[in-house]
Amino acid sequence: EVQLVESGGGLVKPGGSLRLSCAASGFTFSNAWMSWVRQAPGKGLEWVGRIKSKTDGGTTDYAAPVKGRFTISRDDSKNTLYLQMNSLKTEDTAVYYCTTGIYCSSTSCYGGRYNWFDPWGQGTLVTVSS
Amino acid sequence: DIQMTQSPSSLSASVGDRVTITCRASQSISAYLNWYQQKPGKAPKLLIYAASSLQSGVPSRFSGSGSGTDFTLTISSLQPEDFATYYCQQSYSTLVTFGGGTKVEIK
Repeated sequence: EVQLVESGGGLVKPGGSLRLSCAASGFTFSNAWMSWVRQAPGKGLEWVGRIKSKTDGGTTDYAAPVKGRFTISRDDSKNTLYLQMNSLKTEDTAVYYCTTGIYCSSTSCYGGRYNWFDPWGQGTLVTVSS
Repeated sequence: DIQMTQSPSSLSASVGDRVTITCRASQSISAYLNWYQQKPGKAPKLLIYAASSLQSGVPSRFSGSGSGTDFTLTISSLQPEDFATYYCQQSYSTLVTFGGGTKVEIK
């Protein structure tokens, strides 16, 4: 079964740091381009950033509001994606989802550079407040 | 960044209605356009990818069309389980962007 499970959310003060994790299973994680997407309370979806597979260079891209404060990394030996969030602001309060694009044959599912987001994790809530 | 504009932002419709949601990109994105459905408290669900391809397991009453800058999501006959918020998303640019969402409510 394909699964993404986020963890690490919680309450943090403005200026603080938090690290989110996303454990992946059921597909070839090492080949997948992984993204974080967030959703502030009552608002729409906002892409946070992406990390490419190591085969494709392992580089990262970030949305302007988080660039320089957030860092995405991956540990392919643990099938785990991370989001390190520093200098947190109240406007970073949101549910954070990890997501990727995969292709499933009749027998297996494969990560890669796919231009859609499916599957998604269940999300983890980050609240930045004093 | 490529801006994605959805319209309307909300609509009221009845079961059995044909519903159309539009999404406009600030520049041409070819067919790099996906549609998602999100229900309260749940993660988004992929409905349509590459502008017009139906994701496996999604009912055939959902369809997508368009290319370039103008795209449409159509629900041919609205069902009770379709009341939700719908988002478009472009993957043409390195920096991914979503539309603001369209909330489909019961009339």
